[in-house]
Amino acid sequence: AQRVTQPEKLLSVFKGAPVELKCNYSYSGSPELFWYVQYSRQRLQLLLRHISRESIKGFTADLNKGETSFHLKKPFAQEEDSAMYYCALTNAGGTSYGKLTFGQGTILTVHP
Amino acid sequence: EAGVAQSPRYKIIEKRQSVAFWCNPISGHATLYWYQQILGQGPKLLIQFQNNGVVDDSQLPKDRFSAERLKGVDSTLKIQPAKLEDSAVYLCASSARSLSVAKNIQYFGAGTRLSVL
Repeated sequence: AQRVTQPEKLLSVFKGAPVELKCNYSYSGSPELFWYVQYSRQRLQLLLRHISRESIKGFTADLNKGETSFHLKKPFAQEEDSAMYYCALTNAGGTSYGKLTFGQGTILTVHP
Repeated sequence: EAGVAQSPRYKIIEKRQSVAFWCNPISGHATLYWYQQILGQGPKLLIQFQNNGVVDDSQLPKDRFSAERLKGVDSTLKIQPAKLEDSAVYLCASSARSLSVAKNIQYFGAGTRLSVL
């Protein structure tokens, strides 16, 4: 069974400080990992995915298969980064591709 | 392009009543998903459609939940009868079916918030 764990429900930092949102997963196959974000009063949207290997809004995430982690990082947090962040996983192949398993989410608050 | 549309936005019912939610995916998206998000938890997939066929409904409580996507476009999710524990946000998402993994991104609707009293 696949599982995604986000150990921190709440994370608070000050503007300009580095931020790291943790995500660990368990999956026996070949996973594809995502970070989704939900800003206040907005719908859930994709932030980034590991296959893209890109930085979005200053955020990066590296898939570490040895540690089964996909932590989200940003060197200098901004107030507009305050939101709910979800780590999610899907099977990278097969007919069940697309089915996302989400973690419980981390509420990030960036203080001025 | 227009996003995923869902209605209603809010619904309050009493337990044992029936309720239905509607979803209109992004035009041309072959894959449609229904997720249940209970307060304090991440979304959980209930059912996945590919066109009008069910790909995965392993987590759908079939004794009370049903879903259909008859013409491969719009979809409805029904609960009959509702229980208190069904109180949640029901999210619909869609994605384009593509051999390119890079294009298989799910786009979410705003959700329907259900309260069962």
